[in-house]
Amino acid sequence: QKEVEQDPGPLSVPEGAIVSLNCTYSNSAFQYFMWYRQYSRKGPELLMYTYSSGNKEDGRFTAQVDKSSKYISLFIRDSQPSDSATYLCAMSDYKLSFGAGTTVTVRA
Amino acid sequence: SQTIHQWPATLVQPVGSPLSLECTVEGTSNPNLYWYRQAAGRGLQLLFYSVGIGQISSEVPQNLSASRPQDRQFILSSKKLLLSDSGFYLCAWSRGDGGAGYTFGSGTRLTVV
Repeated sequence: QKEVEQDPGPLSVPEGAIVSLNCTYSNSAFQYFMWYRQYSRKGPELLMYTYSSGNKEDGRFTAQVDKSSKYISLFIRDSQPSDSATYLCAMSDYKLSFGAGTTVTVRA
Repeated sequence: SQTIHQWPATLVQPVGSPLSLECTVEGTSNPNLYWYRQAAGRGLQLLFYSVGIGQISSEVPQNLSASRPQDRQFILSSKKLLLSDSGFYLCAWSRGDGGAGYTFGSGTRLTVV
């Protein structure tokens, strides 16, 4: 079993829709939870970061962490074509473990 | 501010040839440094990490090696490339245990032919 499971998609939504992404994990030692966005042929960039259960908002992005269920989510409201990218979840105890990434396409 | 440089962006090499990819970090000291490989649909695989000069930890047995000759320089090498070494290679840095996230370079797409 992988430490971090993420549905690779692909996920295609119309512009303005809510994008919902999630990951599950098995290592209860993970303390930090992140979401990265990666455009084609580019390195991943840190999008959201949290270390506790609950919600964290940043503009159109909301990250949720449920440590009791070992489940994290990312929601993108009012999605735009520029949000089309691969989204990777990542978790850390003393080093980072990544999900496989979900490819999202927002159709204009 | 901190920046990370990785080059070249694209590389095509014949099987059996050597490899050297370089990564440098600016604007910070004593960073943790990482080399990842990304295969399509398979996420990021940690290859090597380093917590200091000359200190290299290997995560998976393979045809590659890493070196850290200076505090902010990390090099990925191979003496003889295999077809299976093709992929997207990413360098990253972090502070401490990386709890605040890693910052990635722009990547090198390596094709072994």
